[in-house]
Amino acid sequence: DAKTTQPPSMDCAEGRAANLPCNHSTISGNEYVYWYRQIHSQGPQYIIHGLKNNETNEMASLIITEDRKSSTLILPHATLRDTAVYYCIVMVSGNTPLVFGKGTRLSVIA
Amino acid sequence: NAGVTQTPKFQVLKTGQSMTLQCAQDMNHNSMYWYRQDPGMGLRLIYYSASEGTTDKGEVPNGYNVSRLNKREFSLRLESAAPSQTSVYFCASDLTYSYNEQFFGPGTRLTVL
Repeated sequence: DAKTTQPPSMDCAEGRAANLPCNHSTISGNEYVYWYRQIHSQGPQYIIHGLKNNETNEMASLIITEDRKSSTLILPHATLRDTAVYYCIVMVSGNTPLVFGKGTRLSVIA
Repeated sequence: NAGVTQTPKFQVLKTGQSMTLQCAQDMNHNSMYWYRQDPGMGLRLIYYSASEGTTDKGEVPNGYNVSRLNKREFSLRLESAAPSQTSVYFCASDLTYSYNEQFFGPGTRLTVL
């Protein structure tokens, strides 16, 4: 059973914020939300993760709803190089390996 | 730092042939992983090594064996390749099994005819 639901594809104009949603309605209290991305033909790249507080790093921001049933990854100023498949993963840190679903294919358009 | 390196980058095998995919990391990470990715699909975990000297099965281990040669190196062996094993294989590592910020190699593209 999939723990997360993501739209299969999204478009975003270059320079605008890209907001990628993820539903994880069955998340449990000790499960984290992880985001990875995979640029064409390359290995996946870690972006960010969080438990319940919003998180920000040099790549992106992660907004987790108060009930933790959904989250949004925000790329504040998308560039063409951000075109990739973005994976939202929910898991208990340290107990199980990462499980990748099909993700969202983000296309940044000039 | 080279990060995670994989060899070879490309390989074509005939059904029944064997081969070993090599992976090495220079980040002093404890945990290493092997994934496969079929066209249009997400990654699936084959085997992982939480620490040197240990290995465990992932989601799709059948048809594969692994060896954690030392802290740096983790190899994946196909004893008798089958067309269903045509895929892109990624190796990854992270600091500890609980860290979950994995660093991935560039992949090996394997075709089994």
